[in-house]
Parts: sequence; C-alpha cells; structure tokens
Amino acid sequence: EDQVTQSPEALRLQEGESSSLNCSYTVSGLRGLFWYRQDPGKGPEFLFTLYSAGEEKEKERLKATLTKKESFLHITAPKPEDSATYLCAGLPNFGNEKLTFGTGTRLTIIP
Amino acid sequence: NAGVTQTPKFRVLKTGQSMTLLCAQDMNHEYMYWYRQDPGMGLRLIHYSVGEGTTAKGEVPDGYNVSRLKKQNFLLGLESAAPSQTSVYFCASRGLPHEQFFGPGTRLTVL
Repeated sequence: EDQVTQSPEALRLQEGESSSLNCSYTVSGLRGLFWYRQDPGKGPEFLFTLYSAGEEKEKERLKATLTKKESFLHITAPKPEDSATYLCAGLPNFGNEKLTFGTGTRLTIIP
Repeated sequence: NAGVTQTPKFRVLKTGQSMTLLCAQDMNHEYMYWYRQDPGMGLRLIHYSVGEGTTAKGEVPDGYNVSRLKKQNFLLGLESAAPSQTSVYFCASRGLPHEQFFGPGTRLTVL
C-alpha cells in the first residue's frame, strides 16, 4: 500500500532560523513527489514537483530535494509569512494520476 | 482566469438531508478530483474523473456520488448526509504534466 509520512507534525522556529521538513514515502514506482503549502481555511497551493533522485528545486526561501526514499523541504532564513502547513504527496507509476498525501507539517515562524 | 472554484463555501446539514457540491475549472483540464480533509487524516480521495462523462471511485467513495456532464464541472453529491461526512471538501484539477490545482474548499457540517 502506498504511504507518505511527514515529520515533524509541527515545528516552531524563530524568524531567520533555518530548518528542514521531511517526507518519506513507500509508493510503488514513484513517478513524482509533490510539495504543497496550505494556509488555514484555504486549499493547498502547489509548490514543487520532483521526478528523480538528486533533483532539487528552489523558490524564494524554499528548496526541495529528493532521494530514493525521502524528500526534504529546506527553509532558509524563514519569515513569519512562511507559516503554513506543508503537505507532500507521492504519485505512483500506475493508477490514473492519484496522489497519496501525507498529513503535513504545521510550520510556525515566530517574529 | 479563476482556476478552480467551489460552491458553496460553507454548509450545515441535518442528518439525512441531501446536497450537491459544485466544482468548476476554467483551465480545460481533463482530470478532476474530489478530496476530503479531516484532522490528522490528510487529504483522502473520494472520486475522480479522467474526462467528460467518466467517473471512478477513490479511497473513500461510500456515501458519495459524482457526475461529470461537462468538462469544466465536477459535482459531488451526498444523498443522505451523516455526521461522519462532516469535513472540508476540496476539488482539484490536473494540469500538465501532473500537478493538481486545488479549489478553496467547502466546509460541511452534518448535525
């Protein structure tokens, strides 16, 4: 069964304190790994797609990386506006484009 | 370009009542999805569609029905609502190559 696990469940950082969020997956023949940001009361907002081990993508203070077993979302010098829940999802090779989501990491950046 | 829109935003039902949630997208996407999001459970796929006139079951389809009569619309129906269907419902459509774009959500409470 495909499974995506995110850690930690919650993370509080001081403004400017860099850290990483983890997403480990057991998805049969992973075709893609997705990161989303979700603000309270809103729908998930697409951030990145990673397709192969060693791939990296960046957007402002966020960088996503992928290994054969897990993905990391690195947050460099975060600001309060980076506070949100970050979701990752795996797309298996087969199954009509159905994503398997993790339960998310709730990130709080303290000014 | 509105992206993915959902109506209504909020709804309160009594047990046994029925309702329909409407999802619309203006991106000409073929694939559309309905998810529910519950605390600690992550996003779970209810039903999905790979094109106009098609529907398929996801992970948690019981108690729900869907229809995709027009490419841009995907309807989710609850024939006889139960308290266990209290949740936040998200619609998504799939762009290329695989990214899913989400609507703002519908918060449903069943009393």
